[in-house]
Amino acid sequence: TQLLEQSPQFLSIQEGENLTVYCNSSSVFSSLQWYRQEPGEGPVLLVTVVTGGEVKKLKRLTFQFGDARKDSSLHITAAQPGDTGLYLCAGAYSGTYKYIFGTGTRLKVLA
Amino acid sequence: DVKVTQSSRYLVKRTGEKVFLECVQDMDHENMFWYRQDPGLGLRLIYFSYDVKMKEKGDIPEGYSVSREKKERFSLILESASTNQTSMYLCASSLSLREGHNEQFFGPGTRLTVL
Repeated sequence: TQLLEQSPQFLSIQEGENLTVYCNSSSVFSSLQWYRQEPGEGPVLLVTVVTGGEVKKLKRLTFQFGDARKDSSLHITAAQPGDTGLYLCAGAYSGTYKYIFGTGTRLKVLA
Repeated sequence: DVKVTQSSRYLVKRTGEKVFLECVQDMDHENMFWYRQDPGLGLRLIYFSYDVKMKEKGDIPEGYSVSREKKERFSLILESASTNQTSMYLCASSLSLREGHNEQFFGPGTRLTVL
């Protein structure tokens, strides 16, 4: 099964710092989604990107889809303790029901 | 507020037992999914259902079966539980598979331990 590789696997930073999480694959996806999962809960969708090179912003979070639609990044500006959680990317193939999930980045933001 | 609920948050079973995990969604979604989540492996699809009584195998269906008798309910069955099925099980639903409408809504998960 093709997995999306996420890096880093773990990240612990101080409040106010910036960070970038990467999601890479050798496959081309029709769309890519980012989810955040908090302890004891299921993942919650943050954003969907569908066009190569697309950039979307959600408050302090910036998402980018690679030009070739094989990779994506999530940048958080001025991280807050509320950003703590597991960040998952998920790639979808056109015309199928399959979502391929990344291995996850566990982020901890210290106050 | 959209909701996917799972019957148990924590479950402990013995090897060889038959285990039922229930999932209910209140959004009238066509599609429902069962995943398992293991550290370092992400979410892996076990089974998918696109309509009542319709199902497709995912990437790791061995040892599992599913049932969808009603649109809102999707059950995962472990016919004879084994220790390697100890995991977090997540149910999800989506309105459709079309881009822009394929957001998945997840339940809180069931952490299953098989002794």
